[in-house]
Amino acid sequence: QVQLQESGPGLVKPSQTLSLTCTVSGDSISSGDNFWSWIRQPPGKGLEWIGYFYYGGSTYYNPSLKNRLTISVDTSKNQFSLKLSSVTAADTAVYYCARDTGSYCFGYWGRGTLVAVSS
Amino acid sequence: QSVLTQPPSVSGAPGQRVTISCTGSSSNIGTGYDVHWYQQLPGTVPKLLIYANSHRPSGVPDRFSGSKSGTSASLAITGLQADDEADYYCQSYDSSLSGYVFGTGTKVTVL
Repeated sequence: QVQLQESGPGLVKPSQTLSLTCTVSGDSISSGDNFWSWIRQPPGKGLEWIGYFYYGGSTYYNPSLKNRLTISVDTSKNQFSLKLSSVTAADTAVYYCARDTGSYCFGYWGRGTLVAVSS
Repeated sequence: QSVLTQPPSVSGAPGQRVTISCTGSSSNIGTGYDVHWYQQLPGTVPKLLIYANSHRPSGVPDRFSGSKSGTSASLAITGLQADDEADYYCQSYDSSLSGYVFGTGTKVTVL
């Protein structure tokens, strides 16, 4: 059973960097077969794909966030992380990590973590 | 920033059939990328409802069905039930973005 769990601060000040980690169990992020993504959802709004990586080196970012975004991997801990710099109130959202099912869709989701950007 | 357009809301009485459209473009649905659908009940994590246009994951009732044609896709819910009240999102892949795209979302209300 694949499980994902987001962790990180629930409050970030404007202009600072938002950092989150997704810990994966039941699968290996270095297996090379799956895409590991970050997705967010502002309160009361829709879903927005942030970016993904797959082991083997490729990382893809949403063009609207690309200049502020870094997704990295720690295979020793079976974790991947998100860093979003220069945040504003518009970055307030529930952040999810997710894994695809091999069909370019998201079959496994973390429970999500709410990050508020506020001074 | 969504590139897939859905109606904001649809409603129906219990037992009725409702459909939700998802309109894309030549860089996503029209290119041949599959469309997937998610159900998000209030306060919960999105759940994969339909994958690869028309396939249901294990455990999803056959009251839910999906189809795709050209640059659009549709989700149909038959025998509408009270616990179908939720937000529904379509999702695909976009070649111009080299990434995933979601629909704008549709709220289904059971009257």
